[in-house]
Amino acid sequence: EVQLLESGGGLVQPGGSLRLSCAASAFTFSSYAMSWVRQAPGKGLQWVSAISGSGGNTYYADSVKGRFTISRDNSKNTLYLQMNSLRAEDSAVYYCAKVVSTNYNFDAFDIWGQGAMVTVSS
Amino acid sequence: QSVLTQPPSVSGAPGQRVTISCTGSSSNIGANYLVHWYQQLPGTAPKLLIYGNTNRPSGVPDRFSGSKSGTSASLAITGLQAEDEADYYCQSYDSSLSGVVFGGGTKLTVL
Repeated sequence: EVQLLESGGGLVQPGGSLRLSCAASAFTFSSYAMSWVRQAPGKGLQWVSAISGSGGNTYYADSVKGRFTISRDNSKNTLYLQMNSLRAEDSAVYYCAKVVSTNYNFDAFDIWGQGAMVTVSS
Repeated sequence: QSVLTQPPSVSGAPGQRVTISCTGSSSNIGANYLVHWYQQLPGTAPKLLIYGNTNRPSGVPDRFSGSKSGTSASLAITGLQAEDEADYYCQSYDSSLSGVVFGGGTKLTVL
């Protein structure tokens, strides 16, 4: 079964750092772009960042540009999100998501992880 | 404010038909970028309902359908069932923002 499993969430102080991981299984990980999407409590979905299948191209929402870094290790079938200079407004459930097709980085997301909660608070 | 605009809520009785609109602009839906729709039940991850404006993934009932015209798209649900009560989100790409954009979400209540 195609699956994504996030880990690394938790409580962090404002200004702190956290790294999320997303382990993929049962599909050719390196063939697909991946994204991180977040959802603040009681709010809607917000796209955070995307990375191409090879890892050579990365994209960020303006709200996280310069603070977050997306990366992937295709040998380990794992996606990462390094989050620095965290703010209270970054508190959310963070989902990793796989795109439908192999030839479009910004396609629909057909597989989602269960989510990792990140809370930024003192 | 979301780049794509959805009504905050819609409702319908069991068996009825409801539609959820998603209004964009010339830099996203109007620029011919594809629209996708998701269903999110409370406490769960979003589930893909419609991709590429009108396509249903396998396993999604044909009660769900998508359409697109100009700078807007719509999700239609026919034969409404209690289990359809959820939040629904549209998604596209925006060339001005160079990234994925979502609608603010619509809460569907089955009366």
